[in-house]
Amino acid sequence: QKEVEQDPGPLSVPEGAIVSLNCTYSNSAFQYFMWYRQYSRKGPELLMYTYSSGNKEDGRFTAQVDKSSKYISLFIRDSQPSDSATYLCAMGGVTGGGNKLTFGTGTQLKVEL
Amino acid sequence: DADVTQTPRNRITKTGKRIMLECSQTKGHDRMYWYRQDPGLGLRLIYYSFDVKDINKGEISDGYSVSRQAQAKFSLSLESAIPNQTALYFCATSVPGHTDTQYFGPGTRLTVL
Repeated sequence: QKEVEQDPGPLSVPEGAIVSLNCTYSNSAFQYFMWYRQYSRKGPELLMYTYSSGNKEDGRFTAQVDKSSKYISLFIRDSQPSDSATYLCAMGGVTGGGNKLTFGTGTQLKVEL
Repeated sequence: DADVTQTPRNRITKTGKRIMLECSQTKGHDRMYWYRQDPGLGLRLIYYSFDVKDINKGEISDGYSVSRQAQAKFSLSLESAIPNQTALYFCATSVPGHTDTQYFGPGTRLTVL
């Protein structure tokens, strides 16, 4: 079993839809939870991070963490064609693990006009 | 100019050839990483370096070696390339203790024939 599981997609939604992207994890030692966005032929870029259970909002994006269920989500409101990308969840903060992150496999999202 | 640069951006080579991928950063970060990305497998850590004198193996280091020539430079070598090393390779940097946020380069697409 992988430490981090992510819904593979691909996911296709109409413009303006609410998108939900999800990951589950098995290592209860993870302390930080991140979402990276990767456009085609580009490197991943940090979109959001959080280190506690609950919600964190940034514009149209909301990151949600439920440590008791080992489940994280990223919600995108009013999705735009420019949101079309692959979204990677990542987790880290294991004591003694340095800055190593464990990534999900990514969910490919396409927002259509 | 980009903070994390990788050269070359694309490379096609033959089985058995030695290949070096280079990474440079202007972010002043001590920590640097090499990942490979494969469809369905996500990002997997090859090697990481916490400073010039500290090199560590990641989860898939077999067949690879690295050199940290300076704080700003971290190279990945394939001593004798094989076809299953065909992948997208990313370099990343981070700041110690700063929520594990990693900053990625644009990637090198390597094809081994």
